[in-house]
Formats: sequence, structure tokens, C-alpha cells
Amino acid sequence: QVQLVQSGAEVKKPGASVKVSCKASGYIFGSYTMHWVRQAPGQSLEWMGWISAGSGNTKYSQQFQDRVTITRDTSASTVYMELSGLRSEDTAVFYCARDGGYADDNGLIVGADYYMDVWGKGTTVTVSS
Amino acid sequence: QSALTQAASVSGSPGQSITISCTGTSSDVGSYNLVSWYQHHPDKAPKLMIYEVNKRPSGVSNRFSGSKSGNTASLTISGLQAEDEADYYCCSYVGSSTLMFGGGTKLTVL
Repeated sequence: QVQLVQSGAEVKKPGASVKVSCKASGYIFGSYTMHWVRQAPGQSLEWMGWISAGSGNTKYSQQFQDRVTITRDTSASTVYMELSGLRSEDTAVFYCARDGGYADDNGLIVGADYYMDVWGKGTTVTVSS
Repeated sequence: QSALTQAASVSGSPGQSITISCTGTSSDVGSYNLVSWYQHHPDKAPKLMIYEVNKRPSGVSNRFSGSKSGNTASLTISGLQAEDEADYYCCSYVGSSTLMFGGGTKLTVL
């Protein structure tokens, strides 16, 4: 079955960077786009950005543009999200989520459809001095 | 750009129907049929309930339905059940290959 397995919880000091991984299985990795979403305690979900697993193209939210980098390793079917310049407000759960994909008439996934059909369980990042 | 607007909370009794609204602008919700809805129970991963405004993924109960009018999208849950109690988030394509979530609505089943 389609599954996204995220790396474990992290504790970081202010100013540091964190890199969270998301290993995909059960589908053709390169056919789909992967999103990253943040949820701070008591706050709503925030879309951070996406990466096309096939091309490596990325798009980031303006809010995170200067600090986030999303990459992928196709040989490992893994997507990474690195957030730099951590501050206490970045304490949150970070989720990877697969885009549902836009299919052509032959059923081949040819692009993103801008919804998230499969989610990882989340990675808690705590930023504290 | 601010989050899409959702009521902070809504409640209903078992068996009733409720509707959660998600208001954007003519540049986002009003321009694209790319609104999705997610159910989020505490300490669990969000779950896709509706995509492309009104499409339901396989496995999601037909008690959940979506619609859109102008700049406002809506999620309706009929025949409320205790397990429907959760936070619900809308999400819309907002142009330039970017997305935005709503502020979330906490559903309480009385």
C-alpha cells in the first residue's frame, strides 16, 4: 500500500537547521509531487512547498521561501525538507503529503492536482535553547 | 496573503447535518475548482475528505460532500457521528503553483 514514512523527532537550538526525511513506498515515486505542511501547536496547517519527484522542480510558499529547501533522492524514493534559521516559533509537527496527481486520458500521472491524498505521520521538531 | 477564512468552531448533535464554510477571494477559491478538505484528529495525520471541490476519495463516507459558490467553498457532513469530531481544514490552489490552507474549524459532536 502507499506509505510515507518520516524521520524521527528532532530537538534543535535557535539558529540551527533541521532536515526531515520522508520515504515513499507502494507507488511510482517519480510520477508524483510531494508537499510539506507545518502545524505549530494550537495553530492551523500551513503549506510550505512542493517538489516534483520526477523533475526535481520545487515551489515554496512565500512565508518559507528564504529558509526552506526541499530535495529528493530518487534512488531512495525519499524526499527531504530542510528548514534553516530555526526559531522557537518553528516548533511544530512537519508532514509530508503526496499530491493526488493529475492524470491524462491514459491514466498516466502528468502533473500535480494540488490536493494531498496520502500523508506521513508527521515529524515533531522542537526548537529550544 | 492571509489564510482562507473558516469559522473557528461548529457543533451539531448526532444525526444532524452541519456545514463548514471556507471563504477566499476571486483570485483563489473563486478562480479554481481546486479546493480540498481534510479531517484532522489530534495526534494523527490529516485525512483527505474532498478534492476538486466535490470529489470524494474512495473509502470516504458519502456523508461528506463538498460544494462551491463564488468565493466560498463548503463541506457538509450529514448524519453526524461521534467519530466525525475533529478539526477540518480547507485548502485551495491560489495561483502560481501555490496552495493555502484555511484557519481550520473545530467540529464538536454534542
